[in-house]
Amino acid sequence: GENVEQHPSTLSVQEGDSAVIKCTYSDSASNYFPWYKQELGKRPQLIIDIRSNVGEKKDQRIAVTLNKTAKHFSLHITETQPEDSAVYFCAASKTGGFKTIFGAGTRLFVKA
Amino acid sequence: EAGVAQSPRYKIIEKRQSVAFWCNPISGHATLYWYQQILGQGPKLLIQFQNNGVVDDSQLPKDRFSAERLKGVDSTLKIQPAKLEDSAVYLCASSTRQGVDYGYTFGSGTRLTVV
Repeated sequence: GENVEQHPSTLSVQEGDSAVIKCTYSDSASNYFPWYKQELGKRPQLIIDIRSNVGEKKDQRIAVTLNKTAKHFSLHITETQPEDSAVYFCAASKTGGFKTIFGAGTRLFVKA
Repeated sequence: EAGVAQSPRYKIIEKRQSVAFWCNPISGHATLYWYQQILGQGPKLLIQFQNNGVVDDSQLPKDRFSAERLKGVDSTLKIQPAKLEDSAVYLCASSTRQGVDYGYTFGSGTRLTVV
């Protein structure tokens, strides 16, 4: 079946460093790629998304890149802060949110 | 804007018992989703509604799980009978689908423990 692989499962960085999380998807019909941040005991919250007609999108310290040919997309967090510590999920879906599949998550630790 | 409301927040039941969860999406959101999130894993879609019609329930264990969305607004998810492996957080989410933004807004979830 269709799936989304996410790496690494755990990432530890020093405050101020950059963090990169990578995802690969299998369904070539996927055209919408959101990223969610989930703090301990809380709901996942959308932090950034990208559509298939765009190669890169940036919002302050976070950016997402998409390579449709290779079917992979990445989340980049620069100047990390302790409050960035959380679990990050990537997802891939088709138009209208159909067949959304989530990655297994990356637990990010930012050490002060 | 009010968020996605879910209840109860926590539920503990014995295996083979029944349980029901309730979700009220953001007003005007036509698409409603139920996800199961087992500890340490990503959310897994159980069922997707568009208004009051089901558009995807391919991963719903239909022998024990059922869901409905009457009048295209509130939704309930039921498990009958529950198994130990059903212990998870059940997340409801909604989205507009009509607009540019297809991102979900999740509710706080219901943490189910089956003992």
